Amino acid sequence: EDQVTQSPEALRLQEGESSSLNCSYTVSGLRGLFWYRQDPGKGPEFLFTLYSAGEEKEKERLKATLTKKESFLHITAPKPEDSATYLCAVRLSGGSNYKLTFGKGTLLTVNP
Amino acid sequence: EPEVTQTPSHQVTQMGQEVILRCVPISNHLYFYWYRQILGQKVEFLVSFYNNEISEKSEIFDDQFSVERPDGSNFTLKIRSTKLEDSAMYFCASSERFWLTSNQPQHFGDGTRLSIL
Repeated sequence: EDQVTQSPEALRLQEGESSSLNCSYTVSGLRGLFWYRQDPGKGPEFLFTLYSAGEEKEKERLKATLTKKESFLHITAPKPEDSATYLCAVRLSGGSNYKLTFGKGTLLTVNP
Repeated sequence: EPEVTQTPSHQVTQMGQEVILRCVPISNHLYFYWYRQILGQKVEFLVSFYNNEISEKSEIFDDQFSVERPDGSNFTLKIRSTKLEDSAMYFCASSERFWLTSNQPQHFGDGTRLSIL
């Protein structure tokens, strides 16, 4: 069965303390890996799409990377407003062309 | 910036009743989706819809569920006879094209919290 696992489940950082979130996947035929941010009571907000191993994307303090088995979301010098749940999702090739399969997310808390 | 809007934000319904959740996707988008998230669990795919027909559905999307695009702007999810286990946050999403590039991701609304009593 295709699986998307995110770690850690929760992460607490001090403002300015850089760290990384992990998304590992065991799927056959990856067509894309997506990172979303979800604030409490809100829907997922798109951050990045990664398609092939070695690819990197950056946006402000966030940088996403992809290998053949996992993706990392690096957060450099985070601020309290970066506090949110970060979701990883994959899209597969083959029959399941439309759906995104999500991980459970990492709850990030950045303390001032 | 264009966004997906969902109504109502919270729906409370008695078990066995029918419920309709409404969504207005982004206006130039062609692909529409419903997902749900049970409290504390993953976001799960329910169904995708394109060109006025279902393009893919999950095992969750059984005969009690249906989707419709009744006009040029709305996209609805109907649950015919609600069960306690249908209680969840339901998210609508839309995308401009089938192939999801970095410029054309699935955009999500803020969801409808469905509570079945």
